[in-house]
Amino acid sequence: ETGVTQTPRHLVMGMTNKKSLKCEQHLGHNAMYWYKQSAKKPLELMFVYSLEERVENNSVPSRFSPECPNSSHLFLHLHTLQPEDSALYLCASSQEGLASQETQYFGPGTRLLVL
Amino acid sequence: ILNVEQSPQSLHVQEGDSTNFTCSFPSSNFYALHWYRWETAKSPEALFVMTLNGDEKKKGRISATLNTKEGYSYLYIKGSQPEDSATYLCAFMGADGLTFGKGTHLIIQP
Repeated sequence: ETGVTQTPRHLVMGMTNKKSLKCEQHLGHNAMYWYKQSAKKPLELMFVYSLEERVENNSVPSRFSPECPNSSHLFLHLHTLQPEDSALYLCASSQEGLASQETQYFGPGTRLLVL
Repeated sequence: ILNVEQSPQSLHVQEGDSTNFTCSFPSSNFYALHWYRWETAKSPEALFVMTLNGDEKKKGRISATLNTKEGYSYLYIKGSQPEDSATYLCAFMGADGLTFGKGTHLIIQP
């Protein structure tokens, strides 16, 4: 157990649906991250939040909308997704955020399939 | 786009044998190199963070070395056990943030 939980673990949605992914960390960390892993590709950073402020957005399409209501919770709101958005979405947290030596603690991921 | 390459992509090793694999990364603007172990259906788990050229880290039967001048790190597993089966990810921290490799998928055969 890494102290980072994600729900749901699996999600199937149509292109017109709206859904949300949830991440919660129990480690007292100040930074949280969303990553995407598509088949045969490395983990790609999507968003970074530090102290509930978004500090990085790696050119992610607006159909992905993050929300960080407090330092323990992170959401990824999904709407009008495309089949190519099918991937594993991982959440992570770290003590401060983007510091070079910080270990990131990952959740188990949400496997998303867009039909 | 930064190039973080891991080789081999996958590896089958007999139980009890030792093995190693490589992560190569840019040798400029180096801040840190991270290794993670990722078992199927679980969370990636941090193994090592390495920052200095010549660093060597060890955790049980797993160890890692770092050469920042030539841009590579090796991960070694001594006396492989079935529970070592996992994907091993390296991640390069540079000026633009953290970039992951695709991982080495290790299968230990009994």
